[in-house]
Order: sequence, then C-alpha cells, then structure tokens
Amino acid sequence: NAGVMQNPRHLVRRRGQEARLRCSPMKGHSHVYWYRQLPEEGLKFMVYLQKENIIDESGMPKERFSAEFPKEGPSILRIQQVVRGDSAAYFCASSPGGAKGTQYFGPGTRLTVL
Amino acid sequence: QKEVEQNSGPLSVPEGAIASLNCTYSDRGSQSFFWYRQYSGKSPELIMFIYSNGDKEDGRFTAQLNKASQYVSLLIRDSQPSDSATYLCAVNHGSSNTGKLIFGQGTTLQVKP
Repeated sequence: NAGVMQNPRHLVRRRGQEARLRCSPMKGHSHVYWYRQLPEEGLKFMVYLQKENIIDESGMPKERFSAEFPKEGPSILRIQQVVRGDSAAYFCASSPGGAKGTQYFGPGTRLTVL
Repeated sequence: QKEVEQNSGPLSVPEGAIASLNCTYSDRGSQSFFWYRQYSGKSPELIMFIYSNGDKEDGRFTAQLNKASQYVSLLIRDSQPSDSATYLCAVNHGSSNTGKLIFGQGTTLQVKP
C-alpha cells in the first residue's frame, strides 16, 4: 500500500489522558500536513512539517497540542490532557513538496473523548 | 468574510445531468486550487487541481478557474448516484506559500436515479 497511512483508525480516550496519532506519508513524500475536522464542520489546517522541522504551526491550538516528524519513523500528533472538545477526525496529508504540491489524505483517526 | 466559500447545498441533480459546484476565495495571492470528494465517514479524495485560468478536463470532471473573479468551479458530466458526496474546494494559502490548504465548508451533492 503506497498511500498515506494513519493509525490508529479509532481512538477512545477519557478526559485528561493523552492521545498520540501517527502518520506515515506516501513513499517519496517528505511533507506532512495535519488537519482536523470537527463534527459538522469543515477541514481546518493545523500544522505543516518536513523531516525534523515544523514549517507552519499557525493552526495548532496554543496549549496541549504538539507535532513532530522525526528523521526516522512516522509523524506524531500529540494531544495532552484531552477534553471532550478534542473529539474529531484528524487527517494527515502528504505531498512531494513545493507550494503547488498536491496533497493526498490518509484515512484519518477518529478520536472520541469520553 | 470566509476565506473560501461554498454553497452547502444539498445540490440535487438527476442521474445523467451536469452538476455544477461553485467556490469563491478571498486571497488574491492564491496560486493553487483543488477539488476533493468526501464520502460520509471517509477521508477527502483528490478529484482535480488547477493552477491557471481557464478550463481543465479529466474524464467526466472539468475544473474552471477565473482568478480575476476569484472563482473556481467543478462540473461533473453524466452524474452518477456514486457521485453523491460532499465536494470540498481547497485553496493554497498564497501569501504564506507553505502549501497550507484552506478548505470551504463543502457542498453536498445528491444524484438521484
């Protein structure tokens, strides 16, 4: 499967726990984007990363959220001390790069906070 | 004013008809424009992208871009029930040039047999 991979596909957490979402880009892609889709809302950009660098985090909430894309391994979106409002679908997209690079989405992680 | 605006619909067309989906954007510096299709509970799937003014055709799909009017559209010819989905217009945020996409709220298309 050469597509964008995300895991887990479904994640249930209780309030106050940590959520870790993983994304492996398509083969040959070095640019990763995270988006969030709240129920009945549109897709919102969160963060753009290249290997070992955060390029644009203008869409990330100021607290509790962090992202990384290490030299080896998948990109990680980490949400600390989750609250019910964090329940959403989190999508990762990858592109080969460049401002015009088309982005291909993974299947998403559905996060439910109890 | 929203950065990317779409009519939420639903847009209902009979099978075999042409479906026309519209999108306007506010950032004149935007360079790249994308249409994604999203089925309920699934992830967005890239349908078309367009960078230059004019029309771009791919099978039953035609994307149209008019930068002067800040308008982009998607035409679906010979619509099929399987085309029933939400169509998302996305615009590359031109001023930052990072590749960040700004999405519209999406238009729900219903193709009736």
